[in-house]
Amino acid sequence: DAKTTQPPSMDCAEGRAANLPCNHSTISGNEYVYWYRQIHSQGPQYIIHGLKNNETNEMASLIITEDRKSSTLILPHATLRDTAVYYCIVRVASAGGTSYGKLTFGQGTILTVHP
Amino acid sequence: SAVISQKPSRDICQRGTSLTIQCQVDSQVTMMFWYRQQPGQSLTLIATANQGSEATYESGFVIDKFPISRPNLTFSTLTVSNMSPEDSSIYLCSVGGLGYNTEAFFGQGTRLTVV
Repeated sequence: DAKTTQPPSMDCAEGRAANLPCNHSTISGNEYVYWYRQIHSQGPQYIIHGLKNNETNEMASLIITEDRKSSTLILPHATLRDTAVYYCIVRVASAGGTSYGKLTFGQGTILTVHP
Repeated sequence: SAVISQKPSRDICQRGTSLTIQCQVDSQVTMMFWYRQQPGQSLTLIATANQGSEATYESGFVIDKFPISRPNLTFSTLTVSNMSPEDSSIYLCSVGGLGYNTEAFFGQGTRLTVV
């Protein structure tokens, strides 16, 4: 799976949009971009994923650049409960093989939402 | 989605002893994954547990130290053997993410402290 690079930490004011960047310059054509977050002392929680088109769900939006070498996770109206470590993961798309189902976590971005 | 229950949620153990962590899923899954999260660090995959076959271990992890059982499609155990303080970590069970367009689900983790 391709390596990802994220800033170690970011701050955001409550109610404002939080934009979390991720670089994945070695991404392959069949790899998806996934975002998870881990709130303190809990298991990681799935947020969103995409291949090349922008995606939106009830939690967030995912913007992937046209060359797919970077992406941005957007939390449109951050709340204090969004304070967490956010992981950007690039994952092999094809089923089967030794990487089937495995996730490779980087160090992530610690997002702190303040009042 | 999948609901994953881990037991125990936390434990304090004496060095030299062993602890078995249980992971129960509310649906049948082919593969289950065990991760370790050392203090202040990201998640690292320990092994993949397949029903009906031996677990597949990642580099740096061995069966003698982390034996895994997978008796059926909804249950798995991870044993941390002959523990030392360096084994103090959060251990997480995960399922899913098998297809290229699916997400993984995590248990809440077992916080282990070895004294």
